[in-house]
Amino acid sequence: AQSVTQLDSQVPVFEEAPVELRCNYSSSVSVYLFWYVQYPNQGLQLLLKYLSGSTLVESINGFEAEFNKSQTSFHLRKPSVHISDTAEYFCAVRTSSGGSYIPTFGRGTSLIVHP
Amino acid sequence: NAGVTQTPKFQVLKTGQSMTLQCAQDMNHNSMYWYRQDPGMGLRLIYYSASEGTTDKGEVPNGYNVSRLNKREFSLRLESAAPSQTSVYFCASSYNRGRHNEQFFGPGTRLTVL
Repeated sequence: AQSVTQLDSQVPVFEEAPVELRCNYSSSVSVYLFWYVQYPNQGLQLLLKYLSGSTLVESINGFEAEFNKSQTSFHLRKPSVHISDTAEYFCAVRTSSGGSYIPTFGRGTSLIVHP
Repeated sequence: NAGVTQTPKFQVLKTGQSMTLQCAQDMNHNSMYWYRQDPGMGLRLIYYSASEGTTDKGEVPNGYNVSRLNKREFSLRLESAAPSQTSVYFCASSYNRGRHNEQFFGPGTRLTVL
């Protein structure tokens, strides 16, 4: 069985400040890791994913996440946020080999960017 | 490519009424899912379908039924709606093998049960 913990339910930050959204997971097997973003009144969309290889993955809009196997973490970071980054962010994990392909989601972190 | 579409976008029901939420995808995905999203609870899986003709229960299946009509369509039925089913419902689809396995989500159906 696997689980995902998003340690912060809400993260308020001022525009142009850096931000980190934390995600820890537990799994007894190797995993794929995902971050999804949900803008207000919309469905979720993939922000970035880690499958293998380089532990640092980047999105097209300036977010990055680093897979840390020893810490079982996949924290999401952005050096300078914009008002438009205000959204709900979900971390998800699924096994990469065998077992269930169904992902497990964290409860989400609401990023609120203030002007 | 429309991606994942859901109908209706909004619905208000009275307790005991029934309704079907429709979902379709045009990405040739083999797996489809129904989630509900409630404040502070994240996404909870109701049912999923690994392929046409198969369905399985997720975390919170009670009070719901599903039908995988064909590869494209996966519907969710509430036979006798209850206020506890007031939620936002999302349909999603994905491949279930290989590296390109992220989920694609529909825009959601906002359901209120009075």
